[in-house]
Amino acid sequence: GAGVSQSPSNKVTEKGKDVELRCDPISGHTALYWYRQSLGQGLEFLIYFQGNSAPDKSGLPSDRFSAERTGGSVSTLTIQRTQQEDSAVYLCASSLRGSQRGAGELFFGEGSRLTVL
Amino acid sequence: RKEVEQDPGPFNVPEGATVAFNCTYSNSASQSFFWYRQDCRKEPKLLMSVYSSGNEDGRFTAQLNRASQYISLLIRDSKLSDSATYLCVVNYPGTYKYIFGTGTRLKVLA
Repeated sequence: GAGVSQSPSNKVTEKGKDVELRCDPISGHTALYWYRQSLGQGLEFLIYFQGNSAPDKSGLPSDRFSAERTGGSVSTLTIQRTQQEDSAVYLCASSLRGSQRGAGELFFGEGSRLTVL
Repeated sequence: RKEVEQDPGPFNVPEGATVAFNCTYSNSASQSFFWYRQDCRKEPKLLMSVYSSGNEDGRFTAQLNRASQYISLLIRDSKLSDSATYLCVVNYPGTYKYIFGTGTRLKVLA
């Protein structure tokens, strides 16, 4: 497709289970971002990828959260031992440019809504 | 102090009104600024970039005030379809982060 694709769109899980969220960015976009948005809140930065490497993981809230990107394309965000406070919409975005010199437009996917019971 | 701050609103305005939002940022070295729009339960989408000299796109005007470290968004002749949350975004130099404000909610009333 032409846009950023995320799956699943909705995920309901039990506390303590692991979940994987997937992001397929726009073809050719080298930069990929994960954000989290809780109900009525702003976007919280989680992690950024330039190619397959993640120069900035500072936003990951705990060591239960990890992310990887392979082939400079698809990214997976994994949350281990989910907690109720992990419930949120997880948004992925990609950008054609991710350089320190300039910031390109972020294109967002529709998000993965995670509910932890 | 938050890195990017916005008045959450809501701003309730009648159709045809002019409304303005401000956003303050804490890092004086910031160089790239944007306004994004987010409709209810949808993903954010770029509304416009904010340039040093100010820029206009139809009914929308964005301004940057470096001395006071804020950016503004002016919407003229408000339409019902302008109802949304407007997110201020700052990209810090030397980082790859886009920092989002919590957003200002606008409701345009018939």
